[in-house]
Amino acid sequence: GAGVSQSPSNKVTEKGKDVELRCDPISGHTALYWYRQSLGQGLEFLIYFQGNSAPDKSGLPSDRFSAERTGGSVSTLTIQRTQQEDSAVYLCASSFFGQPQHFGDGTRLSIL
Amino acid sequence: AQSVTQPDIHITVSEGASLELRCNYSYGATPYLFWYVQSPGQGLQLLLKYFSGDTLVQGIKGFEAEFKRSQSSFNLRKPSVHWSDAAEYFCAVYSNDYKLSFGAGTTVTVRA
Repeated sequence: GAGVSQSPSNKVTEKGKDVELRCDPISGHTALYWYRQSLGQGLEFLIYFQGNSAPDKSGLPSDRFSAERTGGSVSTLTIQRTQQEDSAVYLCASSFFGQPQHFGDGTRLSIL
Repeated sequence: AQSVTQPDIHITVSEGASLELRCNYSYGATPYLFWYVQSPGQGLQLLLKYFSGDTLVQGIKGFEAEFKRSQSSFNLRKPSVHWSDAAEYFCAVYSNDYKLSFGAGTTVTVRA
């Protein structure tokens, strides 16, 4: 597609379950970013990929969070043993490195 | 560390009136600055960017912003707002490794 695609758009799960969030970047974009948007914290950087490698994982809030990117394209953000404080909108963005980032519509995650 | 401040949490403006949203940044080098807009349930849409050159930059939807190094500001303006401009607006700056640091956002309400 023409833009960044994220799935699912909404996810409701029980505390303690694992979730996977998917991001399909704009074709050809080498850089891919994950951000989290929550009421109390605003927009926070989580992790970014240049190609398939992640030079900066500094924003991941705990070791329950991990992400991978394969084939220089699709990325998956995984949250293990979800907690209620993980409830947020998870946004993915892609770009050519150093150029403006283009965002998907996000995945709204609700932990019951 | 780089940071962005948006002093106004909420602004109400009448349709047809002008709009100015304030943004101040803290960054040691020449900043790469952005304004994004977010409508409810949507991702972030890039309005405009400043990388270098002319300090008055034009964006989409009739928006413009002016970079003022002496004031560390990058304020967003629109001469005449439309009801469809009601949204949340985020100012952001790139760090050295091209991750975005966002301001807290300004919510714009447009009254008829």
